[in-house]
This record gives sequence, structure tokens and C-alpha cells, in this order.
Amino acid sequence: AQRVTQPEKLLSVFKGAPVELKCNYSYSGSPELFWYVQYSRQRLQLLLRHISRESIKGFTADLNKGETSFHLKKPFAQEEDSAMYYCALNNGWGKLQFGAGTQVVVTP
Amino acid sequence: DAGVIQSPRHEVTEMGQEVTLRCKPISGHNSLFWYRQTMMRGLELLIYFNNNVPIDDSGMPEDRFSAKMPNASFSTLKIQPSEPRDSAVYFCASSRRRSTDTQYFGPGTRLTVL
Repeated sequence: AQRVTQPEKLLSVFKGAPVELKCNYSYSGSPELFWYVQYSRQRLQLLLRHISRESIKGFTADLNKGETSFHLKKPFAQEEDSAMYYCALNNGWGKLQFGAGTQVVVTP
Repeated sequence: DAGVIQSPRHEVTEMGQEVTLRCKPISGHNSLFWYRQTMMRGLELLIYFNNNVPIDDSGMPEDRFSAKMPNASFSTLKIQPSEPRDSAVYFCASSRRRSTDTQYFGPGTRLTVL
């Protein structure tokens, strides 16, 4: 069965510290994975997708098929990174399955 | 472009009443998605359309929920009759194609059923 797991509901880090949001998935096919972010009072928006292999706002995420993971990382957290982050899996038919989300709070 | 537009932004109604949520996708987008967000269940896909045709409605919770897309620029999600457990934030999103394109989300409609 297709599943996206984000084990941490809340992640609190200090400004300047590294941050890693965990995402694990189960999917029988070739997965396409995304990270979406929702800043306070803003819309849910795409942060990055694994096929792009790019860094957005200092965030990177590497697809590890062996560990079925797509963890989101940033070496130095900033206060503006405080937001809700969702990992999502595209099943190839346009359907996105979202994880439960991780609330990130960056404190000065 | 104003992005995906949803109305109303907030809706408070009483149990048993009919509720209609509206969505205008981004012009030129071929796919439209309705999601529901609750604390208990997170973000769930209810239904999605491609070229105005419903492709998958397996996420629609029960017969009280229905969705239509009469044309490329408008979709509705209707709940009749509404129940308190329907209280949630309902998001509409659109994308260019069915498969892997980025989905652009609307601001959501916060529904409260008393």
C-alpha cells in the first residue's frame, strides 16, 4: 500500500542550527516525491521535488530508494523557515498523497 | 494571475444545511483537485478532475459529498446534509497536466458545522 510517513509532528530548532525533516514512503513503483511548505497565513506551495535535484531556500532533499526516504535538510535554519512542511508522493496518476506534516519552529 | 481562487474563505453553518464550496483554477490548467485538511487525518485528496472530467473520487467520504466541474474555470464541492464531523479546511488545487506537474493551491475554505 502507498504510504507517506513523517514521524515528527513538531521540530523545534535554534536559528543557525541544522534541521532535518524525516520522510519515509512505501510505494511499489518508481516514486516521485515532493516537499510542500505552508507558511503562516499563506497557501500551501511547492518547496522542491526530487527530480529537480535543486536547492530551494537552502533546503535539499535526496531520494534514497534503499531506505525509502526523502528527508529534507538545511544546514543553517533561519527564523523565516518556521512553517508546516509536508512530504508528498505522486502515484503516477496525478494523485498526491501527503504525509501528516511537520511543524518547524525556529527560535532565535 | 491571482492563482487559485476559493470562496467563501470561511463558512459557518448548522448541521443538516447544504454547503457549497467554490473554486476557480488557474487559467490554462487542466487538472483540478479537492483536498480536505483536519487535525486527525491531515491532508486528504477527495477528488480530482482532468479536462473537467472526474478521474478519481475514491477519496470522497460518502454520498453526502459531491463535486462538479461544469467548465474549465469553475468547480464546486457540495455537502448535503452537512454534519459537525465535516468541519475542516477544504483546499482546491490545480495543475497543468494530470501527472507530475506542480499543484498550485488555493487559500482554502474553513468550514465549521455546528
